[in-house]
Amino acid sequence: EAGVTQFPSHSVIEKGQTVTLRCDPISGHDNLYWYRRVMGKEIKFLLHFVKESKQDESGMPNNRFLAERTGGTYSTLKVQPAELEDSGVYFCASSSWTSSFGTGELFFGEGSRLTVL
Amino acid sequence: AQSVTQLGSHVSVSEGALVLLRCNYSSSVPPYLFWYVQYPNQGLQLLLKYTSAATLVKGINGFEAEFKKSETSFHLTKPSAHMSDAAEYFCAVIGVNAGNMLTFGGGTRLMVKP
Repeated sequence: EAGVTQFPSHSVIEKGQTVTLRCDPISGHDNLYWYRRVMGKEIKFLLHFVKESKQDESGMPNNRFLAERTGGTYSTLKVQPAELEDSGVYFCASSSWTSSFGTGELFFGEGSRLTVL
Repeated sequence: AQSVTQLGSHVSVSEGALVLLRCNYSSSVPPYLFWYVQYPNQGLQLLLKYTSAATLVKGINGFEAEFKKSETSFHLTKPSAHMSDAAEYFCAVIGVNAGNMLTFGGGTRLMVKP
């Protein structure tokens, strides 16, 4: 069974440009999460989808970030325009609703490293 | 609100020595606690979890952690380090009624010397 896959693994862009990160969750997982780790800091929650609906987007830093989950399958996270402080590793995770609610058994992807110059 | 503190961003041990990675949490409600590990070029992998059952939790690869409510701690241990244990370890907490929103500590990078 394929795990959570993220693309690209590394992206280098200039300030002001746009980047779109993609996450493909484990098939059948209704819950999809985005987290971010800025260098030297903690991994921080960004948002949570249940199927195609945003359940919690309290961690999104500002309106330059837009997350979508088309048809409840893969998700994209767009940063537009990118700023220097957006550099970091963006992790995607998924879980199945019944087996992991309240237990935190999230399955993480390898992360997408974003470098904004 | 909940938070997690991992003491020591870097820990170095010799192969065969005891591994002790410290984690303290704060939570207004009884928490669920986790340790995740990230090996180089891989995603975060669940090592073990505490969900209000036994306070001593055993995980994969010989790791275990003990939940101590009085000390608000959930330290990770392994009796004998192996070179393959070199990785970054993250302690995380979920408060009840917080869905699956994990709050992570800053991470501890474990280095194992031959």
